[in-house]
Amino acid sequence: SYVLTQPPSLSVAPGQTARIPCGGNNIATKSVHWYQQKAGQAPVLVVYDNSDRPPGIPERFSGSNSGGPATLTISRVEAGDEADYHCQVWDNSNGFQGVFGGGTKLTVL
Amino acid sequence: VQLVESGGGVVQPGRSLRLACAASGFSFTNYVMHWVRQAPGKGLAWVALISYDGRNTYYADSVKGRFTISRDNSENFFYLQMDSLRPDDTAVYYCARLRTPSGGPVLFWGQGTLVTVSS
Repeated sequence: SYVLTQPPSLSVAPGQTARIPCGGNNIATKSVHWYQQKAGQAPVLVVYDNSDRPPGIPERFSGSNSGGPATLTISRVEAGDEADYHCQVWDNSNGFQGVFGGGTKLTVL
Repeated sequence: VQLVESGGGVVQPGRSLRLACAASGFSFTNYVMHWVRQAPGKGLAWVALISYDGRNTYYADSVKGRFTISRDNSENFFYLQMDSLRPDDTAVYYCARLRTPSGGPVLFWGQGTLVTVSS
């Protein structure tokens, strides 16, 4: 089955840029979605189809998936961005399944 | 759009539990619906999906043969029947709807219901 790999944690100072990678076999051929999850809350979609943002998500959140790992980039990081971030794809190589990465805990120093 | 789960609780290993999700605020009969779970302190894990008409279902390998997803389009509910439960099924279970009827990311989530499998 398809596997997505994320680093367990990442620390960034306020005002800096956070880049969260999501690796997978030939991931550039897939549409990658990103979710933010704060403690005790349901996830919130922040980037979909590699680089699109849902309404209400700040422009500071962006995504890319064109060679190398897919990446969620958070510019000008704020204290309120501290959360777990999960990448996700749909895989139809063995039936049809949803696949999530293990999640990355972003700590704002 | 509102999704409200119910049916979680504490259950012994090997026993069964049925979760329900009440959907409202959209054309339920047009949408594929999903269950996603999250074990304590762990990441998200997709569990199952059911097509808009209930004819097609898909499951994660970890629950295949033990869990059954179903829906009632007349009542705007869908369900997750969980049999032969194991301690590693302990998780918050979310019902979820995608951004579009046919695919894309999960855009709407329920608040989650906790299932604890323990003797």
